[in-house]
Amino acid sequence: NLMLTQPHSVSESPGKTVTISCAGSSGDIVSNSVQWYQQRPGSAPTTVIYEANQRPSGVPDRFSGSIDSSSNTASLNISGLKTEDEADYYCQSYDSRGWVFGGGTKLTVL
Amino acid sequence: QLPLQESGPRLVKPSETLSLTCTISDGSVSSSAYHWAWVRQPPGQGLGYIGTIFFSGVTSYNPSLKGRVTISVDPSKSKLSLSLSSVTAADTAIYYCARVMDIVTVDSWGQGTLVIVSS
Repeated sequence: NLMLTQPHSVSESPGKTVTISCAGSSGDIVSNSVQWYQQRPGSAPTTVIYEANQRPSGVPDRFSGSIDSSSNTASLNISGLKTEDEADYYCQSYDSRGWVFGGGTKLTVL
Repeated sequence: QLPLQESGPRLVKPSETLSLTCTISDGSVSSSAYHWAWVRQPPGQGLGYIGTIFFSGVTSYNPSLKGRVTISVDPSKSKLSLSLSSVTAADTAIYYCARVMDIVTVDSWGQGTLVIVSS
């Protein structure tokens, strides 16, 4: 069964770049779709990346996604950090059981 | 008006059935481009998958819910429904309905509704 492991928290300064990882425990994460969701405090999630590296309309190009097949890891990259990017970020994929979410990463912009 | 809006009881007693509705107000319930899902989030915890109903009517549920869950959609009423039976305190969570493109990508989320399981 697929498990997705994310760091519990990351922090970075405004204007800098941060990368949040999502490591797949088994199987080939590349062969599955990977999504990233942003959840600000007290709000519902929103989609910032789908199909590993696609941005929905309205999401700034400061957000990008990638997959490293050698390590079976997906990554969310946020450049030019703004205080409004402070949120929880969840990766998501699926296996035969259905959707699988990572545990979430709290991004602090300080 | 939000395109997806959850509604239902805020408080449910243990062993009873949790029933929620999601009103889909943008007409997309009739589109073959979309499927529908429920996701929940216990207070202070991460997101958890409940299940999906595909446009075809086929459903897929999280095996961990052990047959307690039923998801249905009524296009004539533009409503998505969730039923979760034999609830316990562990089912206390914010419940989100979601519109799904392809198999797994959520492109629209409801605002969520908190359900507390307590006597």
